[in-house]
Amino acid sequence: NAGVMQNPRHLVRRRGQEARLRCSPMKGHSHVYWYRQLPEEGLKFMVYLQKENIIDESGMPKERFSAEFPKEGPSILRIQQVVRGDSAAYFCASSPKLVQGTQPQHFGDGTRLSIL
Amino acid sequence: DAKTTQPPSMDCAEGRAANLPCNHSTISGNEYVYWYRQIHSQGPQYIIHGLKNNETNEMASLIITEDRKSSTLILPHATLRDTAVYYCIALNSGGSNYKLTFGKGTLLTVNP
Repeated sequence: NAGVMQNPRHLVRRRGQEARLRCSPMKGHSHVYWYRQLPEEGLKFMVYLQKENIIDESGMPKERFSAEFPKEGPSILRIQQVVRGDSAAYFCASSPKLVQGTQPQHFGDGTRLSIL
Repeated sequence: DAKTTQPPSMDCAEGRAANLPCNHSTISGNEYVYWYRQIHSQGPQYIIHGLKNNETNEMASLIITEDRKSSTLILPHATLRDTAVYYCIALNSGGSNYKLTFGKGTLLTVNP
């Protein structure tokens, strides 16, 4: 999936550590979305951000998870004090503007987070 | 957003057309039909979307029935690289229309 860059591709953390996942949207895209895919499940929406604003975080767990999309630099999904249940693939998508049914989201190849 | 129903799996011979069905009988007038696919270990890839009219791009064709209760994604000449899980998603054009809801999709296996 050319365009949306996520890193790292694989991340291993021990329980209690912090995980930082980065996403650079496609050029010209100012809207970023994060999704999580648990093993054997479909992708679930987590959060929608625009530059310096969180628009919708209704899919984010209430504790330990946070996201930002600063004026400069990539979007960051941060997970504090990770637990085994956080093991999943985290995908970022971007679009040029709010999807009005005509602008598709384009996805990166994800970060596979493994918690030991 | 309307619920969509897809068969869990399908097989297709390499070089033949793959026709993937999707039912969305409760779709409303302002809901688009989107198709994505996910190849193993990769992120979802956008394929095509439509509202009422049939659509075609370099990847596929989308045929939507006149009553909009179902649609078919057509890969005209399937290759081994088209083996993936295909997702049909109904997405409205207003409100929180950015929340893509991925169900279980259809696992398409293209056989040599």
